[in-house]
Amino acid sequence: AQSVTQPDIHITVSEGASLELRCNYSYGATPYLFWYVQSPGQGLQLLLKYFSGDTLVQGIKGFEAEFKRSQSSFNLRKPSVHWSDAAEYFCAMRPGRETSGSRLTFGEGTQLTVNP
Amino acid sequence: KAGVTQTPRYLIKTRGQQVTLSCSPISGHRSVSWYQQTPGQGLQFLFEYFSETQRNKGNFPGRFSGRQFSNSRSEMNVSTLELGDSALYLCASSPWTGGKETQYFGPGTRLLVL
Repeated sequence: AQSVTQPDIHITVSEGASLELRCNYSYGATPYLFWYVQSPGQGLQLLLKYFSGDTLVQGIKGFEAEFKRSQSSFNLRKPSVHWSDAAEYFCAMRPGRETSGSRLTFGEGTQLTVNP
Repeated sequence: KAGVTQTPRYLIKTRGQQVTLSCSPISGHRSVSWYQQTPGQGLQFLFEYFSETQRNKGNFPGRFSGRQFSNSRSEMNVSTLELGDSALYLCASSPWTGGKETQYFGPGTRLLVL
């Protein structure tokens, strides 16, 4: 079975500080990995994705994530957080094969609070 | 391109009723997936439709059903509503199913069951 774990339910950072949100996955092969962000009452917006190749991927809004196979991790980072980054962040995965369908498995989410 | 649209955005129903939610994918997208989001269970996969065929189904009771039309628009139906069905229902679309495709989500339909 596949699963995604986000160990931090809630993180608080000061505006301008760096951010790292953790994501670990459980899957027997290389998965496809995604980070989505959700603002209150809204749908999910894709921040970035990893399919293959370069393990450091760049996304929108200044976010990046690094795939580490040895640690089964796909942590999200941002060097300087803005107040508008306050939201809930979800890590998700899909089996990394063509015939897997579109079913995403999500982590529990990490709520980010940004202090002024 | 317009994004994924979902209607209605908000809905209030009573126990025992049934409800139909609609999702219009991004133009050209043929895969539509549905997810239920609740505070207790998080985001859970309901089902995926591709070319009018159900391709995948999550672990939900038979009260939850869906369909997809030839224009790729999708509907999901919940019969005999229970209080626990109160949730945000999210629809996502992608050009194809599986592979290196990215799913784009709509704003969701918030269902409250009283």
